[in-house]
Amino acid sequence: NAGVMQNPRHLVRRRGQEARLRCSPMKGHSHVYWYRQLPEEGLKFMVYLQKENIIDESGMPKERFSAEFPKEGPSILRIQQVVRGDSAAYFCASSPNAGAGAGTDTQYFGPGTRLTVL
Amino acid sequence: DQQVKQNSPSLSVQEGRISILNCDYTNSMFDYFLWYKKYPAEGPTFLISISSIKDKNEDGRFTVFLNKSAKHLSLHIVPSQPGDSAVYFCAARGSGGSNYKLTFGKGTLLTVNP
Repeated sequence: NAGVMQNPRHLVRRRGQEARLRCSPMKGHSHVYWYRQLPEEGLKFMVYLQKENIIDESGMPKERFSAEFPKEGPSILRIQQVVRGDSAAYFCASSPNAGAGAGTDTQYFGPGTRLTVL
Repeated sequence: DQQVKQNSPSLSVQEGRISILNCDYTNSMFDYFLWYKKYPAEGPTFLISISSIKDKNEDGRFTVFLNKSAKHLSLHIVPSQPGDSAVYFCAARGSGGSNYKLTFGKGTLLTVNP
């Protein structure tokens, strides 16, 4: 059973370009979470999605950021017109049930995408 | 506004000794606490957790203690092994409708020396 897959692992963009980060949850998981880790910081919650639905995007900046989890295919975190402050590691997690506990709602994390904005 | 604090950025211990990692929180609405371990270039891996109704949870070499009145928890690893060298994140879960949202500390880098 493959773990959470994220690609690309490293992404370099120039200011003003778009960044697309992909996340394939573990098999059987229909709940996806995105977190961002800025340098020297802990991970911060951005958005929680289920298939075709955004449940909570309260941690995501209102401008330039969007996320989706279509019926088919991976979840996508999209950042338009990137700025230097977007440079960070972006982690995706998935769980079989909603939550963040230690049972069937345990969040399993992918290896992350490290975004560098030049 | 940091709701979960890990005040020690790093900790170094000798193999075979006890490692104690500390975590403080400010939000009394947190009802569940977790420790994640992270190796370089990998994502965080769930290690152990504790509910706010308990004060101790043990799993093999790992024990988590919770002091609700002090809003403090700690992770004990005994005996420590070189493979335990990693960054350890303390995380807390909100209660009720936002119980999927994890709030993380900044992490503590543990180095276990052979």
